[in-house]
Amino acid sequence: QVQLQESGPGLVKPSETLSLTCTVSGDSISSSYWTWIRQPAGKGLEWIGRIYASGSTNYKVSLKSRVTISADRSKNQVSLKLTSVTAADTAVYYCARDLSGSSSAWGQGTLVTVSS
Amino acid sequence: NFMLTQPHSVSESPGKTITISCTGSSGSIASNYVQWYQQRPGSAPTTVIYEDKQRPFGVPDRFSGSIDSSSNSASLTISGLKTEDEADYYCQSYDSNTHVVFGGGTRLTVL
Repeated sequence: QVQLQESGPGLVKPSETLSLTCTVSGDSISSSYWTWIRQPAGKGLEWIGRIYASGSTNYKVSLKSRVTISADRSKNQVSLKLTSVTAADTAVYYCARDLSGSSSAWGQGTLVTVSS
Repeated sequence: NFMLTQPHSVSESPGKTITISCTGSSGSIASNYVQWYQQRPGSAPTTVIYEDKQRPFGVPDRFSGSIDSSSNSASLTISGLKTEDEADYYCQSYDSNTHVVFGGGTRLTVL
């Protein structure tokens, strides 16, 4: 059974870069596509972007200039980098496999707070 | 920008049936698959419907999905409501660039 575990700093200063890792076990990241989603406290889900097994990526238009999603097949990890963060980037960040398919799976999420 | 609109909240009694709607702002909602996610408090979302009407393994058949092209809407229907169904439900589809779009979410209260 696949497991996804998000990890990274829980506190990031404004204007700095948010870096998160999604470690996958029970599946190879080369077998599917992987998505990052975030959810501010008390609010809805927001798609950030995805990376395919081929390495190609798509990003939400409004975040595109600040986001990079990458994959490290040797570590079976997918990473998210978001630059120039502000308080508006404070949220729980989730990674997910095969978001809209029969084998969809989500991590439990990790809270990132942007504050000085 | 393509948007999906859901009612903010719905409520119903145990044992009853409820339907949550998800209306597309433009184009044809039937053009792309719609998914539905359940999110209980403090937990990550899980898929209850994918590809408009398919149920993942382990999701009870009390959950069903449908598309109504005439109203450009997708619907999630839950029959035989249980208190454990109380959660937030999100619909999801795609815009013209195949970028993921989520609805705003619907809070289901079973009382």
